[in-house]
Amino acid sequence: EIVLTQSPGTLSLSPGERATLSCRASQSVSSSYLAWYQQKPGQAPRLLIYGASSRATGIPDRFSGSGSGTDFTLTISRLEPEDFAVFYCQQSGSSPYTFGQGTKLEIK
Amino acid sequence: QVQLQESGPGLVKPSGTLSLTCAVSGGSISSSNWWSWIRQPPGKGLEWIAEIYHSGSTNYNPSLKSRVTISVDKSKNTFSLKLSSVTAADTAVYYCARNDQLWWYFDYWGQGTLVTVSS
Repeated sequence: EIVLTQSPGTLSLSPGERATLSCRASQSVSSSYLAWYQQKPGQAPRLLIYGASSRATGIPDRFSGSGSGTDFTLTISRLEPEDFAVFYCQQSGSSPYTFGQGTKLEIK
Repeated sequence: QVQLQESGPGLVKPSGTLSLTCAVSGGSISSSNWWSWIRQPPGKGLEWIAEIYHSGSTNYNPSLKSRVTISVDKSKNTFSLKLSSVTAADTAVYYCARNDQLWWYFDYWGQGTLVTVSS
């Protein structure tokens, strides 16, 4: 099983700042099979990024993904108030499909 | 626009069987997609449980495989989850989701349903 470790656990930033979230895999993941999701309280996760760097439909361009192999990054260039939530990375290249433990992005 | 909706009992007794159904609308369950169940214990992260194709092919998370059955009903455009011998550790929000047909990420999700295991 591929273990995904996200850091930091909590990130405290202010609107307008840049957020950088990390996802590290226990073994190499094909970039095609790495996705990022955003989850707000009481809601289902929402797909943000797939294929490590492709934005899902309707996702603003302030969200970007990068990385390869075992190290992947989600960047939010300029935080908007609605961006504060929990973010998960997920791999689907190897079954069982696994998620990271999440990074909580909170307002400073 | 594909929509998914979970349904089933919100309370299950310990040692009983959890049964949930996911209704798919706005698309066919017989499309070239797999369909998954994912769960999230209160305040915790996400765990993939199982997936199914309309042909009946399945794939299970080994951590739950001995207790899980996933099935599909093409006539009703639904798929279902059964989890047996439940304990309090199975208390979670259960989501159904669609797997993208190329890269298997989860592109559409149901709203989720909370299932509590308690006597």
